[in-house]
Amino acid sequence: DVKVTQSSRYLVKRTGEKVFLECVQDMDHENMFWYRQDPGLGLRLIYFSYDVKMKEKGDIPEGYSVSREKKERFSLILESASTNQTSMYLCASTLSGGSEAFFGQGTRLTVV
Amino acid sequence: GENVEQHPSTLSVQEGDSAVIKCTYSDSASNYFPWYKQELGKGPQLIIDIRSNVGEKKDQRIAVTLNKTAKHFSLHITETQPEDSAVYFCAAILNQAGTALIFGKGTTLSVSS
Repeated sequence: DVKVTQSSRYLVKRTGEKVFLECVQDMDHENMFWYRQDPGLGLRLIYFSYDVKMKEKGDIPEGYSVSREKKERFSLILESASTNQTSMYLCASTLSGGSEAFFGQGTRLTVV
Repeated sequence: GENVEQHPSTLSVQEGDSAVIKCTYSDSASNYFPWYKQELGKGPQLIIDIRSNVGEKKDQRIAVTLNKTAKHFSLHITETQPEDSAVYFCAAILNQAGTALIFGKGTTLSVSS
C-alpha cells in the first residue's frame, strides 16, 4: 500500500521557535510538495521539489524553507514560527508532473 | 502561473440528487485536470482525472467534463449518497518536469438523507 507519512499529526509550538515538519514517502516518487490548508483558501503550494537537493518556490514561500537530502524525505522548516503560520500542513508526492498525487494525513500546527 | 477558480464553495443536496462542481483555469498550456475528495481528518484522495485530449470521462456515479476552449472543467456526481459528503478540490497542471498541481479553493458538499 502506497504511503506518505507525516511525522506528527498535531504540533503546538511557541512564537519564534524553529519548527521542522517531516514527510516520508515509500513510492520512489520524484516529486514532493508541501501545501498549507486554511478554511476558505483551499490548498496553497508552499514549496515543491522535483529531485534530491532541488527546490522550487510555490505561491506562499515567505517564512518557510525546505530540505530534500534524500529522495524519500522532504522537510518543511519554519525558521521563526509566527501565529499566522497556525494551519494544517499537507505533504504530497507524485511520480511525475501529470500523475496522481498521494497525500499524507496532515499536520495541524498551532503557534502560540 | 496557473490560477484555478472553483464554484460553488458550498453545496447542499438531497440524497439521490445530482451535484455539479465547476472549475476554470488560466493557463491554456495545462493538460492534466484531477479531482480530489477530502474526508474529515484525512488527506485528499484522487477520485477521477482527465487529460486534455479527452472531453469527458466517467467512473460509475462520477464524471468529469473538459472544455479546453473555454478553459473550464466540471465534476458531476449522480445519485448522491451521504458518504459523498466531503470537501472536493479541482486542480490543474502542465504535465512536465518541474511543475506542481495548483488547486481550487474547494467545495464542501453536504448530502442529506
